[in-house]
Amino acid sequence: QSALTQPASVSGSPGQSITISCTGTNSDVGRYNYVSWYQQHPGKAPKLIIYDVTYRPSGVSNRFSGSKSGDTASLTISGLQAEDEADYYCNSYTSRFTYVFGTGTKVTVL
Amino acid sequence: QVQLVQSGAEVKKPGASVKVSCEASGYTFTNCAMYWVRQAPGQRLEWMGWLNAGNGDTIYSQKFQGRVTITRDTSASTAYMELSSLRSEDTAIYYCAASVWGDYHFDFWGQGTLVTVSS
Repeated sequence: QSALTQPASVSGSPGQSITISCTGTNSDVGRYNYVSWYQQHPGKAPKLIIYDVTYRPSGVSNRFSGSKSGDTASLTISGLQAEDEADYYCNSYTSRFTYVFGTGTKVTVL
Repeated sequence: QVQLVQSGAEVKKPGASVKVSCEASGYTFTNCAMYWVRQAPGQRLEWMGWLNAGNGDTIYSQKFQGRVTITRDTSASTAYMELSSLRSEDTAIYYCAASVWGDYHFDFWGQGTLVTVSS
């Protein structure tokens, strides 16, 4: 199972919006609405920020939103803040009853 | 509150095995799936496998099939991940994660266990 494809890095100025893409296949992202996103700060465990493509867990800022079109899911961070600087990973359930992570995206706040 | 507490760091020689534990609290252990994920230094997250904590069924990533075994002790609310035939490329932080508030995502994570493979 190959990793889902994400851009290596995305950057933006404070207050701007950025979008991170996550491209899979019709065996994972395209087949199921079970895409989740994780934020990971250096030296920390990942944190769930989006699940089932569009849903936010309790306590996660509404500046984070998710969507999906075909085999590509996206995470949008609006009103970018310094604390959003982190690595972001997408994940999808697959037709083999397994899961696959994306390649990861480093977000830099300029 | 939900907590996943993992065992401490390990140093192993190539060819050896390592067994990492993950003790769960704050929820009904047997009602939720447990997953194992690893991250090599400076690398991406990599999904290894998952356990149905209720019946003990497991599914593993093809990459680790034959080398990884995930088990559980329901009386101790603890899951275990054993990786055999270790090589230097297995040096990584190993995380357990649980699906507590729903399925198909990992809403709680352990603190991670560093496994170093070195001769």
